[in-house]
Amino acid sequence: GNSVTQMEGPVTLSEEAFLTINCTYTATGYPSLFWYVQYPGEGLQLLLKATKADDKGSNKGFEATYRKETTSFHLEKGSVQVSDSAVYFCALRARTGANNLFFGTGTRLTVIP
Amino acid sequence: ETGVTQTPRHLVMGMTNKKSLKCEQHLGHNAMYWYKQSAKKPLELMFVYNFKEQTENNSVPSRFSPECPNSSHLFLHLHTLQPEDSALYLCASSQETGPRTYEQYFGPGTRLTVT
Repeated sequence: GNSVTQMEGPVTLSEEAFLTINCTYTATGYPSLFWYVQYPGEGLQLLLKATKADDKGSNKGFEATYRKETTSFHLEKGSVQVSDSAVYFCALRARTGANNLFFGTGTRLTVIP
Repeated sequence: ETGVTQTPRHLVMGMTNKKSLKCEQHLGHNAMYWYKQSAKKPLELMFVYNFKEQTENNSVPSRFSPECPNSSHLFLHLHTLQPEDSALYLCASSQETGPRTYEQYFGPGTRLTVT
């Protein structure tokens, strides 16, 4: 089946610290992988995506590389800001079937000044 | 502004009440989704509509009844809910469903509390 496992939070970092949020997946075939971000009081927004192995998605200083050999899609940012405080969701979409997303449980990040 | 709006943003209802959640998308999409977001659980896909036709019902109890009158509007009718149904209900839309990877755009959600 399809599933996503991401590191449990919450994660608290000081401003300008390095961020890593781990995500691993199980899927039939070769899925597309996504990171979504949910700011307080808002819905989910697509942060970045990768559709095939070795692709690197990037946006707003965040990066994640699709690693087929380790079935991982870890989210990284070199220097976090207070405005990055949010909940981050890793998700996959299987190649077959409808356009359904399978999400992880989310990781809450708090960045303190 | 994501182009997907949801009303109401907050709803408190008793177990015997009947209420409806509304979602509207202004993106010209043809697929719409309902998700349930509970604390410490992955988002759960509830229903999928593509071109107004329901294509997925993810074993959702019958006390949740979706309606999609056109490609821009999606409703979730609620009746005789249980306290464990308290959650954030998210609506999303995409160009359509199918084998291509269409991005899903989410609304802000309706925070539902069942008392």
